[in-house]
Amino acid sequence: AQTVTQSQPEMSVQEAETVTLSCTYDTSESDYYLFWYKQPPSRQMILVIRQEAYKQQNATENRFSVNFQKAAKSFSLKISDSQLGDAAMYFCAYSQGGSEKLVFGKGTKLTVNP
Amino acid sequence: GAGVSQSPSNKVTEKGKDVELRCDPISGHTALYWYRQSLGQGLEFLIYFQGNSAPDKSGLPSDRFSAERTGGSVSTLTIQRTQQEDSAVYLCASSLQGMYEKLFFGSGTQLSVL
Repeated sequence: AQTVTQSQPEMSVQEAETVTLSCTYDTSESDYYLFWYKQPPSRQMILVIRQEAYKQQNATENRFSVNFQKAAKSFSLKISDSQLGDAAMYFCAYSQGGSEKLVFGKGTKLTVNP
Repeated sequence: GAGVSQSPSNKVTEKGKDVELRCDPISGHTALYWYRQSLGQGLEFLIYFQGNSAPDKSGLPSDRFSAERTGGSVSTLTIQRTQQEDSAVYLCASSLQGMYEKLFFGSGTQLSVL
């Protein structure tokens, strides 16, 4: 079974600084997708960024970028120029190609200090 | 509405009672998902609907859990004879056709079983 591990239960960053959240996953599949979701106190999960495993290039979305290391099965999220609104739980998730199911890690709570 | 709507927002029930949780997806979205988030955990997949059919219900934890979707729109998750371990946030998500398009999540129902 596929598993997703987030080894940092909590992280903190100063406003305007950069922070990296770690995620590793375990799969024997070659066709899969990886995601980072943000969950603010409202509980509503919001897609931050996604990466297709077949793509070599790391995905970026404005201040958010990933470091996808396929051989190491690592998928870290970098948040640049952190803002107070970035404070939330961040979840890494995996989906096998052809499946409609997401497998989530346990999350990292990010605090942004003014 | 503009987003995925879930009701009730909070539900407190007594052990052994049945509960129904409702999800109104975004209009026109054919794919609908239910996830469960227990305290301090990531999200756990429960069931996926495409239209009114449920091609993947592999995540339903026991036969006390059932879900249906009618008219390709509203979905109801029913938990019979609730147990304390059923206490969690139940999140619903929808997408236009499937998971490889953007998932939109609701704010969930916090279920507390006393």
